[in-house]
Amino acid sequence: QVQLVQSGAEVKKPGASAKVSCKASGGTFTNHVFSWVRQAPGQGLEWMGGIIPVFGTADYAQRFQGRVTITTDESTSTAYLQLNSLSSEDTAMYYCARTQETYQEIGGLPLMDVWGQGTTVTVSS
Amino acid sequence: EIVMTQSPATLSVSPGESAILSCRASQSVYSNLAWYQQKPGQTPRLLIYGASTRATGIPARFIGGGSGTEFTLTISSLQSEDFAVYYCQQYNKWLRGSFGQGTKVEIK
Repeated sequence: QVQLVQSGAEVKKPGASAKVSCKASGGTFTNHVFSWVRQAPGQGLEWMGGIIPVFGTADYAQRFQGRVTITTDESTSTAYLQLNSLSSEDTAMYYCARTQETYQEIGGLPLMDVWGQGTTVTVSS
Repeated sequence: EIVMTQSPATLSVSPGESAILSCRASQSVYSNLAWYQQKPGQTPRLLIYGASTRATGIPARFIGGGSGTEFTLTISSLQSEDFAVYYCQQYNKWLRGSFGQGTKVEIK
C-alpha cells in the first residue's frame, strides 16, 4: 500500500522560505505524477504544481511561477516543495499527492489518488 | 489556465434525499475530471475519476456524469457520513490541474 508521509509543521517569518518534504513508501517512485496542493484556513484546494521524478522537470500554476520549486530525490523516494518570499497569505496546509498509475498509464495527467497527511506552514512575524 | 466553477457553494439536504452538484470548466477537459470529498480536519479523498468511474471502495450512491465542460456529481440517498465539502478537479494536461472552489453539502 502506497503511503506519503510529509514533514512536520513549520513556522516562518515573512520573506523567508519553506521547504516541505513528502516521502513515498510501499510502491515505485520514479514513474508516477506527484502534485502539490495547498489549502488556506477555511478555504478551498489550490493546485500548485506537479512533477514526474523520472523526468525531473516540474510545471507550476501561473500564480506561483518564480516563487515555487518542486524537486524529487529518487535515492530517498522523496518529493519536495520549496516556496520563497513567504507572506501571511501563504499560511496554509500543504499536501502532496500522487497518481496510483504510472505516468505512462495515465498520460502524465495529475490525478490525485494517494495523499500525504498535510504539513502546516504558518507565516507570522 | 483552465478555470473550474462549482455550484452551488452550499447545498442543504435532508438525510435520505439526493444531492446534485455541478462543475463547469472554462474549456473542454474531455472526461479528465475528478471529484474529491473532504471532511473537516481530514485529507481530501478521491471519489470519482474519468468523470464517471468510482474510485476503489466508493459506494454506488456516488454517481459522476458529464464530459467536455459540464459535469455533475449526484449523491443519492445521502448518509450522515456524506455531509462534507466536494471539489471537482480537471487534470486534462501533462502535469497540470486545477480545482473548483468547492460545494459544501450540509444537513438541512
